[in-house]
Amino acid sequence: DAGVIQSPRHEVTEMGQEVTLRCKPISGHDYLFWYRQTMMRGLELLIYFNNNVPIDDSGMPEDRFSAKMPNASFSTLKIQPSEPRDSAVYFCASGTGLGEAFFGQGTRLTVV
Amino acid sequence: GDSVTQMEGPVTLSEEAFLTINCTYTATGYPSLFWYVQYPGEGLQLLLKATKADDKGSNKGFEATYRKETTSFHLEKGSVQVSDSAVYFCALEAGANSKLTFGKGITLSVRP
Repeated sequence: DAGVIQSPRHEVTEMGQEVTLRCKPISGHDYLFWYRQTMMRGLELLIYFNNNVPIDDSGMPEDRFSAKMPNASFSTLKIQPSEPRDSAVYFCASGTGLGEAFFGQGTRLTVV
Repeated sequence: GDSVTQMEGPVTLSEEAFLTINCTYTATGYPSLFWYVQYPGEGLQLLLKATKADDKGSNKGFEATYRKETTSFHLEKGSVQVSDSAVYFCALEAGANSKLTFGKGITLSVRP
């Protein structure tokens, strides 16, 4: 398996634009997680899915953020409208349980 | 609530030095404990884990022992290499159906 695949690896966008981050989890994994990593706040869990259903989105910072998982092999995290404070590295991870997660290489988002 | 506390960093060592990175936790019940490593430009990957008291996790020369009496899971390596330079995260899962809770991470730099 190629592991968790995220795209794009880097994204630079202007404030106010919509940003969509994509993730393909490892086949057979029931759980999918979206994390955000910044120097100030460290690693934050934004939302996770079990069998394509959102279970806990309490980490989503505000209504500008939304995540979907239309099928077992694809998920998106959308920010609309984007703001400079959204600049961070966003990781997608998948796993067969809540304890162990396999991370993608991340998307480095810069909002200018 | 559940939490993980890691020692403040960064840590800089010379090659072949002994490494200890402290991690303590607070959790209800009997958590599983993990160390994750993040190499530059990559996502996190599981380094080792322990699921019950007195278990020792080990991988790539790293070890950590689950100490319930001191609520600790310190990471050790007898002789570090330049290639061990990375960010190390301690994490816990407080029980079935619980989320991973990460510490803030600590940066290790190993100089030749």
